[in-house]
Amino acid sequence: GAGVSQSPSNKVTEKGKDVELRCDPISGHTALYWYRQSLGQGLEFLIYFQGNSAPDKSGLPSDRFSAERTGGSVSTLTIQRTQQEDSAVYLCASSPFRGETQYFGPGTRLLVL
Amino acid sequence: QKEVEQNSGPLSVPEGAIASLNCTYSDRGSQSFFWYRQYSGKSPELIMSIYSNGDKEDGRFTAQLNKASQYVSLLIRDSQPSDSATYLCAGRTGANNLFFGTGTRLTVIP
Repeated sequence: GAGVSQSPSNKVTEKGKDVELRCDPISGHTALYWYRQSLGQGLEFLIYFQGNSAPDKSGLPSDRFSAERTGGSVSTLTIQRTQQEDSAVYLCASSPFRGETQYFGPGTRLLVL
Repeated sequence: QKEVEQNSGPLSVPEGAIASLNCTYSDRGSQSFFWYRQYSGKSPELIMSIYSNGDKEDGRFTAQLNKASQYVSLLIRDSQPSDSATYLCAGRTGANNLFFGTGTRLTVIP
């Protein structure tokens, strides 16, 4: 079956611009996670959605970062007024329920010039 | 203090040898642990999960968990060049997200 998909696969933007990153989880998965991975680093948790519950935003690094999940499926991560330190790979993962195995998408490579 | 710590490596082993990857965690409340493999430029993929003390074997892979000592390890027997990748350890503490280590880069030398 189809896995987690993300778009765009690559994004180059200028400092100060806003960007939107999209994630389509595996059909039927209720949990969706966003992570950030900087070059040579581990995964940094950003935000978690579970069904209709309020999202866990505890990992968002600043108020420039926000995310939505519409209809319990597709999610969009928005970064406003991008900075060079935002350059990283943004990974989305989904799981059937909280705490279960997470399946990762291919990621979006963001480069802020 | 980081939630999960790993030796970043690189770890090099000859083909056919046993590769041993180690991870320690700080939160005694951590309930479950995961090993992910990440090839360069690719997303992580799950190798093993372990929830109870002791060993769990799956093919050439064995995960070991010692909650008293707060460490998790992954053994890869008969290492192959295709095993060369970064291995990420992750723990979950009853919360919604996983805490990942920075990963250990493994190189299997033919």
